[in-house]
Amino acid sequence: KQEVTQIPAALSVPEGENLVLNCSFTDSAIYNLQWFRQDPGKGLTSLLLIQSSQREQTSGRLNASLDKSSGRSTLYIAASQPGDSATYLCAVKTGANNLFFGTGTRLTVIP
Amino acid sequence: DTAVSQTPKYLVTQMGNDKSIKCEQNLGHDTMYWYKQDSKKFLKIMFSYNNKELIINETVPNRFSPKSPDKAHLNLHINSLELGDSAVYFCASSQLAGIYNEQFFGPGTRLTVL
Repeated sequence: KQEVTQIPAALSVPEGENLVLNCSFTDSAIYNLQWFRQDPGKGLTSLLLIQSSQREQTSGRLNASLDKSSGRSTLYIAASQPGDSATYLCAVKTGANNLFFGTGTRLTVIP
Repeated sequence: DTAVSQTPKYLVTQMGNDKSIKCEQNLGHDTMYWYKQDSKKFLKIMFSYNNKELIINETVPNRFSPKSPDKAHLNLHINSLELGDSAVYFCASSQLAGIYNEQFFGPGTRLTVL
């Protein structure tokens, strides 16, 4: 059974710092991995999608990496801003076409 | 234009009632999903529905029944609501075929059972 874990559960950083969020999964038989952002009381916004054959994806200040064999992914956020404050979720897609979500990391960027 | 929309956004009801949540996507996708986010913010798949094939998650009580009148809609009907059904329910969609299969989520429906 696929289990997805995110560490840390919460993170506070001063504005301008670079930071890394971690995601690990137990079953490496995945199709892809997706990083989402969820703002309080809101839906999910897809940030980056990495196919199982890829090692990283970049979008603006965000860079996501994937090491499928070790069951790990990281989301790197450069030059953090207060507007980056949100909960970040990683999710892996399995053969059943379902997404298994991690427990989330709540990020607070302090002005 | 909203890609994946859900109605209602908030739903408050009494235990034992039957209620439905509607979901529509205008992305032309052929696969739709329902997820439940519990009080601990953990998101878990409930159902995925590809065209005419419904894939049921075994942990979902049979009080929950998805209904798809067409490819663009997947509604969730819940019978005999219980306190533990209180959660945020998210609808999502994706293309089954193709290399990307990115899932797009609706804004969620916050269900409160009293």
